[in-house]
Amino acid sequence: SAVISQKPSRDICQRGTSLTIQCQVDSQVTMMFWYRQQPGQSLTLIATANQGSEATYESGFVIDKFPISRPNLTFSTLTVSNMSPEDSSIYLCSVERRVSTEAFFGQGTRLTVV
Amino acid sequence: AQSVTQLGSHVSVSEGALVLLRCNYSSSVPPYLFWYVQYPNQGLQLLLKYTSAATLVKGINGFEAEFKKSETSFHLTKPSAHMSDAAEYFCAVSDQGGGTSYGKLTFGQGTILTVHP
Repeated sequence: SAVISQKPSRDICQRGTSLTIQCQVDSQVTMMFWYRQQPGQSLTLIATANQGSEATYESGFVIDKFPISRPNLTFSTLTVSNMSPEDSSIYLCSVERRVSTEAFFGQGTRLTVV
Repeated sequence: AQSVTQLGSHVSVSEGALVLLRCNYSSSVPPYLFWYVQYPNQGLQLLLKYTSAATLVKGINGFEAEFKKSETSFHLTKPSAHMSDAAEYFCAVSDQGGGTSYGKLTFGQGTILTVHP
């Protein structure tokens, strides 16, 4: 398995500000992912965080709004920029483990924008 | 593109009754399929997975699922529900069935399971 630590676990932010979410994994992983879970909704993939290169964004998500860093094989950050109430969601970090053919998820960051 | 449909956003059963949560997928290639459970205020935990081995897959907590290619289904079952099974369940399909990415997932809408005493 993989131990994934996300910080902060929750936050309440003012609209127009930005929040950076950190994701730390207990061992090196090749693939890291960021998902969004809007209230009462399912999970939607935001982007794949690539080590040593720019993140790959899914349709509907752009780098200016959700900049991602991946400085090494155990750490990534997701920034939610210029926030509005519509950004209120749970943001989850996920990592892939090829040897166990599955993905592991962090506990999530519950963001409320007021 | 992959897609997943979970029939029934809410399922309610009595303790000891059969649990059946439905999942249908669409995929142009053989998929890898997963069921995750999410307890309140927690992250996702993998229940079981289908990765092109046995079509009947057994997971944790007594759950199992059967991959039926002809029906494009991967329904989750448990013979006898327990109060602790109350949670939200998500069916997911990997983006590419060739094993290149197990983490790039498309999720269904989720099914909230309620278990009555």
